[in-house]
Amino acid sequence: AQTVTQSQPEMSVQEAETVTLSCTYDTSESDYYLFWYKQPPSRQMILVIRQEAYKQQNATENRFSVNFQKAAKSFSLKISDSQLGDAAMYFCAYRSASTGNQFYFGTGTSLTVIP
Amino acid sequence: GAVVSQHPSRVICKSGTSVKIECRSLDFQATTMFWYRQFPKQSLMLMATSNEGSKATYEQGVEKDKFLINHASLTLSTLTVTSAHPEDSSFYICSARFSGGDTGELFFGEGSRLTVL
Repeated sequence: AQTVTQSQPEMSVQEAETVTLSCTYDTSESDYYLFWYKQPPSRQMILVIRQEAYKQQNATENRFSVNFQKAAKSFSLKISDSQLGDAAMYFCAYRSASTGNQFYFGTGTSLTVIP
Repeated sequence: GAVVSQHPSRVICKSGTSVKIECRSLDFQATTMFWYRQFPKQSLMLMATSNEGSKATYEQGVEKDKFLINHASLTLSTLTVTSAHPEDSSFYICSARFSGGDTGELFFGEGSRLTVL
């Protein structure tokens, strides 16, 4: 089974600053999707950004961008101009493009935004 | 984005009773829904994959007779915790995969916090 590793259980950032959350994964597949989900205190998981493995260009969504390094199997999330509302648990997730529906989640990173 | 609604958001029950949690995809049809369990400050643990019109597929270690899953329509899946005990207290989250897009991303319900006294 694929594994997703988030090595930072907790991170903090000053408001308006930039923070990078790390994620690595292990797979033998060449075609897959990667996601970052946010889980705020309200507990509902929200999709932040997604990346198709066949695309070389890093995905960007407003203040959120990823650094996708396919050879290194790394998928980090950069949050620019951090806001108080960004405080949440962030989960990295992997899904195969060919072998079914299952998502594999990392253990999460708790992000604190300091005013 | 697509909306998944989960009900109830909180439920408290006595030990030995059964509790049903509903998961609905409000604006799309979901042939597959997933049920997760989440312990405090931990990641999501996949319990089972719910397929419309067929039996659910349970992950190893999950008791299918305790956690009954029914996916009777393309927009509704239910999880019933039977004969609940305090150790079943947890946060349960459902999700549905939007098959219309190429990434098949998951949309999550709001979660249901179960407390068994």
